[in-house]
Amino acid sequence: AQTVTQSQPEMSVQEAETVTLSCTYDTSENNYYLFWYKQPPSRQMILVIRQEAYKQQNATENRFSVNFQKAAKSFSLKISDSQLGDTAMYFCAFMKIDGYALNFGKGTSLLVTP
Amino acid sequence: GAGVSQSPSNKVTEKGKDVELRCDPISGHTALYWYRQSLGQGLEFLIYFQGNSAPDKSGLPSDRFSAERTGGSVSTLTIQRTQQEDSAVYLCASSLGSGSLQETQYFGPGTRLLVL
Repeated sequence: AQTVTQSQPEMSVQEAETVTLSCTYDTSENNYYLFWYKQPPSRQMILVIRQEAYKQQNATENRFSVNFQKAAKSFSLKISDSQLGDTAMYFCAFMKIDGYALNFGKGTSLLVTP
Repeated sequence: GAGVSQSPSNKVTEKGKDVELRCDPISGHTALYWYRQSLGQGLEFLIYFQGNSAPDKSGLPSDRFSAERTGGSVSTLTIQRTQQEDSAVYLCASSLGSGSLQETQYFGPGTRLLVL
C-alpha cells in the first residue's frame, strides 16, 4: 500500500510571501501520479496541481509550483505571492498509474494573514 | 456547466437509523467515486463506479455500507444501522471515465453526517 505523509499539520504565511508545503510518499511503483488538492471551508476539494512521475520537469500552475524529487519520494508545493484566498487545507495525494483511487495525506492547514 | 452536487449538505441522525446520501455527478462523467473524510482516519476511498457497475468496493468499511448508481448518473450511498464512528464528511467525485489515466477527479461539497 502507498502511504502519503504531510509532516506540517499547520502553517502560516503573510500575504504576498512564499510558502512551501511538504509531502513525502512511500511506494514501490515506478510510474504514478501525484496531486495537490485544496479544501477551503466550503469543503469542496479543488485540484491545484498534478505531476506525472515519468516527467522530470516540475509542474507549475500560475503561482503554484512543485518540487518533485522522485528518488527522495518527495513532492512539495510552493505557493508564491500568497493571497488571503489561499487559506485552506492542502492535501497531497498519490494515484497508481493504472489506478483510480486517490490516496491522500492527512493535510496541512494553511493560514494566510494580512 | 454545473459541478458535482451532493445532498443533503448536513445530516444529523440517531444511532441505529439508516441514512441515504446522494451524489449527482457532472453531466457526461461516467466514473464516480465516494470518499470519507473523518478526523481520525483522514480521507479514505470507499467505492468506485464505472457506469453503473462498481468494480472496486474494497474501501467500504463494513457490510452496513452499500452504494448504487442508476442510469449511469446519480449515485446513492446508504449506511444502515448507523454508528457514532460513521460520523464524517462523505465526499463524492466524478471524472470523464474516458480511459485516460490522467483524468481529474472533480469533487462535490460533501455531506456532513453526524450520528448521535
